[in-house]
Order: sequence, then C-alpha cells, then structure tokens
Amino acid sequence: GAVVSQHPSWVICKSGTSVKIECRSLDFQATTMFWYRQFPKQSLMLMATSNEGSKATYEQGVEKDKFLINHASLTLSTLTVTSAHPEDSSFYICSAINRLAGVHEQYFGPGTRLTVT
Amino acid sequence: AQRVTQPEKLLSVFKGAPVELKCNYSYSGSPELFWYVQYSRQRLQLLLRHISRESIKGFTADLNKGETSFHLKKPFAQEEDSAMYYCALSGKAAGNKLTFGGGTRVLVKP
Repeated sequence: GAVVSQHPSWVICKSGTSVKIECRSLDFQATTMFWYRQFPKQSLMLMATSNEGSKATYEQGVEKDKFLINHASLTLSTLTVTSAHPEDSSFYICSAINRLAGVHEQYFGPGTRLTVT
Repeated sequence: AQRVTQPEKLLSVFKGAPVELKCNYSYSGSPELFWYVQYSRQRLQLLLRHISRESIKGFTADLNKGETSFHLKKPFAQEEDSAMYYCALSGKAAGNKLTFGGGTRVLVKP
C-alpha cells in the first residue's frame, strides 16, 4: 500500500516550451502533496506544498508563475514547468501524505528527470 | 528556521564493521526526525522515525534533544546497506514539511 507514481519518468523538452509532470497516489487519498527538486549529488529541496482544492504554498525563492501546481483531486497533483530553460533541468520528486495514516509519513514517487535543451 | 546537517558526504566501511551516520538538527519546538534511504535507481523510502523507536534492517537511531542529534547506527554493516541516506526533520510548526540534510553515501566494501 501507499504507492505514489509519477509520469513521465523522464522528459526532454526544448527551451521555451512547457512540460507537465503528474504525481498520483495509487491506493490512498492524499490531502497534501509535496514537490521537491534534486540536483545531481545534492539533497532534496522542497519547492512547494500542494493541498487538494486550494492554492499551493511555495517555498522562498521558488517562482510560482514558473512552476504551476494544481491539486485538483485527492489522488492527483501536477507540476507544470512553464517556459522551461536549461537551468530548470533537474530531478523532480513528489511525495504524498496519507491522511488516514495519522503520523504524516510522506510516501515518495520515483521522480521525473527533466532535461531542457 | 529548521535545519538538518549531515557532516559526512561519504562513509566507506568494510562488511561486518559498525557504521554510524551523523545527523544534527536545529528546530524551535518538538521535531519529528526521520531517516530515509535511497538505494541505487530506487525511490526514496522511509527507514525509520524517532517516534517509533524501532530497529529496521538492523539500524537504530536515538533522538538526543540535548545534543540535537539523531545519529543512525548499525553494528554490523552489510553490502546491501550501500545507499544514500538522508536525515530529515518535520514538525507541526512547519506544517509537517520535511527538511532534508545533505545526505551521506554509504559504501560497504566486501
């Protein structure tokens, strides 16, 4: 149980285009999903917190107009990187909280590798 | 502000030797501390959390509030323990957001 999937697992896009990454909780309802970014050989950096039915909360320094987050249902959150640039190339990871778990354990997706050319 | 520090980027030990991964934190309030592990080409997964006070795969970690530490230990390392380990902190004051340390790569040599 408590499986989180991400789609796509990797994507290559051209500069200036937008790309959408999906995060799904497969067997539980997630009131809250988190989006992280991980550069090579570095730790995870929280980008934003996504709550179902409300606006996402972004961490300091993260451009909300560039990284659009939508959490339309209890099992799906999407991250759209708009007008992508090579510096946006990174590994994007989502996690989800199972509100029934009671201990707020985050379950992580496998990540999406984005390469902007 | 909450912060997690893992001073060692790499720990290399021989199979059967003890291994200890250091983690120090700063947080105003009552933190929840976690250790996550990421094996090669796999997703991040929870190894253990301080409130459970359990031993997983032979690993233990004790929260020392006086020293603000949550070091991870295993008395006899195995080759399959080779992975990336992240210490993380969460708390109600921070909306249950996780703050990760920089990570420690453990390499267990045969």
